[in-house]
Amino acid sequence: KAGVTQTPRYLIKTRGQQVTLSCSPISGHRSVSWYQQTPGQGLQFLFEYFSETQRNKGNFPGRFSGRQFSNSRSEMNVSTLELGDSALYLCASSLAVGGASGNTIYFGEGSWLTVV
Amino acid sequence: DAKTTQPPSMDCAEGRAANLPCNHSTISGNEYVYWYRQIHSQGPQYIIHGLKNNETNEMASLIITEDRKSSTLILPHATLRDTAVYYCIVGWGSNYKLTFGKGTLLTVNP
Repeated sequence: KAGVTQTPRYLIKTRGQQVTLSCSPISGHRSVSWYQQTPGQGLQFLFEYFSETQRNKGNFPGRFSGRQFSNSRSEMNVSTLELGDSALYLCASSLAVGGASGNTIYFGEGSWLTVV
Repeated sequence: DAKTTQPPSMDCAEGRAANLPCNHSTISGNEYVYWYRQIHSQGPQYIIHGLKNNETNEMASLIITEDRKSSTLILPHATLRDTAVYYCIVGWGSNYKLTFGKGTLLTVNP
């Protein structure tokens, strides 16, 4: 079956703009989590949605937000972009909510965001 | 989060077995050991996970020591396409997220 799909794969934005990234989870998966990956900080957890509710949130400013739709698809939004927001943004899906014993998350290919 | 320690890099000859070690001495009783790998510019790929017993799937084998303080991921016949950063992660326990460290860069040489 199809894996986690993220769009767009690459995008370039100007400082101060906003951006919306989209994620379609594996069919049947109800949890979607988002991660940011940069060379300096590695993979960092942004937030997780399960059944349209944000269940957990990492240590990122309020400019980073997300939502999940009834079909489990998710979007994340970054407002007032800064140069430091340039990163690979990864979406991952799983059957159960994060923390569930033995739960496995599957990542998409990511969206490369460059802020200029 | 239980912390993991992995060597920063390893080399392996093509066709040979690649054995990637991981120390997780602070692992708690209900935490699983997960392995992912990431090829440059791609999302992390799930490989395998286990709790206590050794596990095997089409990609790899996972050997967990009896005290669960360390594990080894085995790629039985490494190919050039196995060159990647391999992450050993302990989760979930009481945490809601998987915490990725720096991993091991495995380079498979022809």
